[in-house]
Amino acid sequence: DAEITQSPRHKITETGRQVTLACHQTWNHNNMFWYRQDLGHGLRLIHYSYGVHDTNKGEVSDGYSVSRSNTEDLPLTLESAASSQTSVYFCASSGPTSGRLYEQYFGPGTRLTVT
Amino acid sequence: AQTVTQSQPEMSVQEAETVTLSCTYDTSESDYYLFWYKQPPSRQMILVIRQEAYKQQNATENRFSVNFQKAAKSFSLKISDSQLGDAAMYFCAYRSAYGAGSYQLTFGKGTKLSVIP
Repeated sequence: DAEITQSPRHKITETGRQVTLACHQTWNHNNMFWYRQDLGHGLRLIHYSYGVHDTNKGEVSDGYSVSRSNTEDLPLTLESAASSQTSVYFCASSGPTSGRLYEQYFGPGTRLTVT
Repeated sequence: AQTVTQSQPEMSVQEAETVTLSCTYDTSESDYYLFWYKQPPSRQMILVIRQEAYKQQNATENRFSVNFQKAAKSFSLKISDSQLGDAAMYFCAYRSAYGAGSYQLTFGKGTKLSVIP
């Protein structure tokens, strides 16, 4: 069955380190998204991509970057981790196979702690 | 930019009773889509129900239904015959139908629903 996976599921890192969170989908979706979830804020969009080599900034993109070299993967990189980036990160994808309204399918999330 | 507001941070309902979660949104667009997502303690985001703005008929999915009031920009979720498994965070989300941002979701801050046995 097609799926969307994230790794690692939990990560603890130190301030200043570079961290990369992986997102892999086998739905063959063109659209991929990264969100962060914080208490009291809901989910906020970090970056998104509508296809290979396409990337766009979302609402809270400072300190994050993405690159899209193939359809299946959209890794999220924290260039220099900060305590304010402690959060739960969700990857999502959408496309013609995710429903008439291009509903987004979500991965299981990655809990990142920056100490 | 669109905004989505969920004014009830927490709610509770007795098992088998009915509860309504509120959502309002702000947009200048005439065509868009609205969604309710459920997030149980497992953290998985689950799509509950969807509504197209051009459709006047309210969407229903089994025990879940919406009251969509386009003029008032309101999109509430009604859960009938509440079950213990309905306990979760519920998020309202907005998506444009056209334009560069038409695949993005804008979320409200969520409502935590507790179900009392």
